[in-house]
Amino acid sequence: KAGVTQTPRYLIKTRGQQVTLSCSPISGHRSVSWYQQTPGQGLQFLFEYFSETQRNKGNFPGRFSGRQFSNSRSEMNVSTLELGDSALYLCASRSTEYNEQFFGPGTRLTVL
Amino acid sequence: EDKVVQSPLSLVVHEGDTVTLNCSYEVTNFRSLLWYKQEKKAPTFLFMLTSSGIEKKSGRLSSILDKKELFSILNITATQTGDSAVYLCAVGNRDDKIIFGKGTRLHILP
Repeated sequence: KAGVTQTPRYLIKTRGQQVTLSCSPISGHRSVSWYQQTPGQGLQFLFEYFSETQRNKGNFPGRFSGRQFSNSRSEMNVSTLELGDSALYLCASRSTEYNEQFFGPGTRLTVL
Repeated sequence: EDKVVQSPLSLVVHEGDTVTLNCSYEVTNFRSLLWYKQEKKAPTFLFMLTSSGIEKKSGRLSSILDKKELFSILNITATQTGDSAVYLCAVGNRDDKIIFGKGTRLHILP
């Protein structure tokens, strides 16, 4: 079974721009979660999508948004980028029965 | 507010030593506790614990959960340099939320 894939792997943007990250979950997994990881804050939960609906949301500003498609692929969008948005963005998928999540390789976003 | 606290934040030991990493939690409607290992890439799954007192073991790694005292430990025996990583603890609840701790950074000296 193929693992969770994320594209792109690396991204460099400037302040004020917007960015879209993509995540394809493990086949059969309907839940996709997004996390932001920074050295100071650790892994912070952004949101979770299940069957195209946002099921849970973390404490991030409205500049961070996401969506999920009917094939369970998910995208995350960050608008009006700030320097502090530089981080590793991880996507994780899981089956509905268990809490075990499988992580993708992440997208490293650098905002200049 | 739900929280997961890991200790110590960082640890440096010599190869061959045994280490114990701690994870305590305050999470409503607890469902499971998970341990992950993160090297320079994405976290990889180690264990999922749902019942108290049942040790899960994989090679030199083992973990156990105490649901009464709300904590778990991860033990690594005969450590090797390849064990150097950040170890993450996460707790899932019955509302399908998963809360991560900040991790323990483990460094094994040769």
